[in-house]
Amino acid sequence: KNEVEQSPQNLTAQEGEFITINCSYSVGISALHWLQQHPGGGIVSLFMLSSGKKKHGRLIATINIQEKHSSLHITASHPRDSAVYICAVKETSGSRLTFGEGTQLTVNP
Amino acid sequence: DAGITQSPRHKVTETGTPVTLRCHQTENHRYMYWYRQDPGHGLRLIHYSYGVKDTDKGEVSDGYSVSRSKTEDFLLTLESATSSQTSVYFCAISEIGLAGYNEQFFGPGTRLTVL
Repeated sequence: KNEVEQSPQNLTAQEGEFITINCSYSVGISALHWLQQHPGGGIVSLFMLSSGKKKHGRLIATINIQEKHSSLHITASHPRDSAVYICAVKETSGSRLTFGEGTQLTVNP
Repeated sequence: DAGITQSPRHKVTETGTPVTLRCHQTENHRYMYWYRQDPGHGLRLIHYSYGVKDTDKGEVSDGYSVSRSKTEDFLLTLESATSSQTSVYFCAISEIGLAGYNEQFFGPGTRLTVL
């Protein structure tokens, strides 16, 4: 069982829809990282958070430390949001980032 | 743009040949990392560096070596490439090391195919 589980693995939406991607983890963490990977492109950092909520434009990330769960929301989705979204956690003990396998999001016009 | 470049961006090679991938940064960050990305797996750490000539192994280091002779360059070498090393390789940098909070910034990736 992976220490970081993302759901869904694949998500298809229509332009304008509200999107939610989930990340659950099984270890104690000090921080959680959401990343975006475009087709053929590199990986871009979206958020780093350890509690509560962060917002940047149409993207919102929340985390519940007690429930070991984080969500990434996209409001008013657009085809340019189509990408793989990756969750990574920084374990409290140890010194590594553990990555989820990613969620492939496709937003159709 | 975190000022990270990787070279080459694409490479096809044959089993048994040596391969070196280069990561170059312009931000003067102390910490640099090499990851590989494969279907069915999250990004996995190969090696990392916490300063010039200071490197350590990650979770999938077998078959790989690294060197860092200058702050700005971190080299990943496959001494004798195997087909299992066909992957996309990402370099990353961070201001703070893995012991604390660290937001990592990633390079564009190198797609390596070993035939």
